[in-house]
Amino acid sequence: QSALTQPPSVSGSPGQSVTISCTGTSSDVGSYNRVSWYQQPPGTAPKLMIYEVSNRPSGVPDRFSGSKSGNTASLTISGLQAEDEADYYCSLYTSSSTSYVFGTGTKVTVL
Amino acid sequence: EVQLVQSGAEVKKPGESLKISCKGSGYSFTSYWIGWVRQMPGKGLEWMGIIYPGDSDTRYSPSFQGQVTISADKSISTAYLQWSSLKASDTAMYYCARPSALDDAFDIWGQGTMVTVSS
Repeated sequence: QSALTQPPSVSGSPGQSVTISCTGTSSDVGSYNRVSWYQQPPGTAPKLMIYEVSNRPSGVPDRFSGSKSGNTASLTISGLQAEDEADYYCSLYTSSSTSYVFGTGTKVTVL
Repeated sequence: EVQLVQSGAEVKKPGESLKISCKGSGYSFTSYWIGWVRQMPGKGLEWMGIIYPGDSDTRYSPSFQGQVTISADKSISTAYLQWSSLKASDTAMYYCARPSALDDAFDIWGQGTMVTVSS
């Protein structure tokens, strides 16, 4: 299964909103809702930010939101803060094969 | 507290074997899958495979099938990732991670084990 496609980088000023896309195909993202998003600051392990397309785990700020349309899932960070600067990865779980695939990753820079 | 604690950094030579570990605590180890994720230097996350310690059911990414072996010892709540013959291209950070039983997202991560393979 090929990696899901994300833009290499996005940037925004503090307070602005940025959106990261995660594009697959009708056979993966288009068919399953087990899309999750992870934040990885430099030198640290990934942290779950969104699960099942749009749900936030306890403790994740509501500035982070997720959505999906067709073969593309998206993560939006509203009210960008300096602490949001990190790499972000989408992931898809496919129940039929008990397998996962990650996106290519996006570096978010706060200007 | 639910946590996964991984073994320490390793420095090996090409051709050597290696087994790294991931010990779960604070939850029923046999009731959750544990996955392994590779991150090569400066690169993205790659899913390698996953094991269900309750019955040792194991699934591999096609990219890693035959290259590594995933196992678990439920008596000591520990999952393993092993290589029989390391290559320089195996140099990477390796994370274990536990998916939630409800939504399959990786909600618990180990701290990572850095493996360096160099002659």
